[in-house]
Amino acid sequence: DGGITQSPKYLFRKEGQNVTLSCEQNLNHDAMYWYRQDPGQGLRLIYYSQIVNDFQKGDIAEGYSVSREKKESFPLTVTSAQKNPTAFYLCASSISVSQNQQFFGPGTRLTVL
Amino acid sequence: AQTVTQSQPEMSVQEAETVTLSCTYDTSENNYYLFWYKQPPSRQMILVIRQEAYKQQNATENRFSVNFQKAAKSFSLKISDSQLGDTAMYFCAFMKPVNYGGSQGNLIFGKGTKLSVKP
Repeated sequence: DGGITQSPKYLFRKEGQNVTLSCEQNLNHDAMYWYRQDPGQGLRLIYYSQIVNDFQKGDIAEGYSVSREKKESFPLTVTSAQKNPTAFYLCASSISVSQNQQFFGPGTRLTVL
Repeated sequence: AQTVTQSQPEMSVQEAETVTLSCTYDTSENNYYLFWYKQPPSRQMILVIRQEAYKQQNATENRFSVNFQKAAKSFSLKISDSQLGDTAMYFCAFMKPVNYGGSQGNLIFGKGTKLSVKP
């Protein structure tokens, strides 16, 4: 089945630690995105990538980093510089940035202890 | 900057009845896309319906339809014959076309409306 997978579903981190969230897609999509969702809020864009080895900052990139070494993978690292990392993180992909339909993964809930 | 406003934090509807969720947005662009996404308790984001701003005809997908009023910058979602499975958070979202500057392909979301369908 084609789709987007995110792992783990739940993640716990101690303050001061970096943590990496996984996002994989087998839809052969060029573009991938990371969003953050806080309670009572809509989604906000963290980073996006139009193509392999390229990525751009979104609206709330501070304290996050990404890589895009393979077309199917777009991992997100939440660094210790992110002041309030507890949130729900959603990965999405689209055929290309110019194609307006984005498909979403099931999400990862990150909790800082 | 574009903003999306959903003025109804929560709504409820009886099964089989019709409900309308409101969404307004602010933009100076003439061409753009609008979406309604559904997020059930599983938290998976599911596209419900989309509308291209240059199309005057309102989009429909089975029981879901929109009322797109471009001049008023309004984009409401109507759910007919509501079903228990429609219970979810509903998010309205706006997207600028590529090459219009800023984050390309960036979906800008409202804060959502929590819809409960009661038996």
